[in-house]
Amino acid sequence: SQQGEEDPQALSIQEGENATMNCSYKTSINNLQWYRQNSGRGLVHLILIRSNEREKHSGRLRVTLDTSKKSSSLLITASRAADTASYFCATDNDMRFGAGTRLTVKP
Amino acid sequence: GAGVSQSPSNKVTEKGKDVELRCDPISGHTALYWYRQRLGQGLEFLIYFQGNSAPDKSGLPSDRFSAERTGESVSTLTIQRTQQEDSAVYLCASSLGGAPRETQYFGPGTRLLVL
Repeated sequence: SQQGEEDPQALSIQEGENATMNCSYKTSINNLQWYRQNSGRGLVHLILIRSNEREKHSGRLRVTLDTSKKSSSLLITASRAADTASYFCATDNDMRFGAGTRLTVKP
Repeated sequence: GAGVSQSPSNKVTEKGKDVELRCDPISGHTALYWYRQRLGQGLEFLIYFQGNSAPDKSGLPSDRFSAERTGESVSTLTIQRTQQEDSAVYLCASSLGGAPRETQYFGPGTRLLVL
């Protein structure tokens, strides 16, 4: 199976709420990345966090990394309808992606 | 600068025909990846090129699938004797270097429909 696996598979929230999705992986990494995909087209890179970092911010995005638990989380604050998309995590040592988390933000 | 481009955007073909999908990576990117995504599913890794190294073909689903890359530029994914199960979006991505994997930049994909 692939290295990074997202959880939950699907998440539905109201606009303005925060959304949290998680990623677990199996082996040691150098970095972990989060991507967003709209409408089944190409993925867009959101943020990269390195193994020596514990938290990183980019606008309304906050990513944490716990290497001892081999897990990462992506928090989207004050969500908007435009955040509706699938979100994927990927690690540097595996070319595969997980099934992603499908986020729906209701207006 | 220009991003990753793929052509065609859409392709409809008949079962049994061969198809070629093209990917133009970002100039200077040594790593190139192909993925397949069936409707409603995640990305399925197909093949990875890194510079002049032998490609990682471990994701190719059958010998009907092959891919070539000319130096560090364009790549072509060929599917021979297409089957209906090959219908999917084929995504290409490139990155500056291959290991460790850094940020991947994706093209818009080619939507393939096999009738």
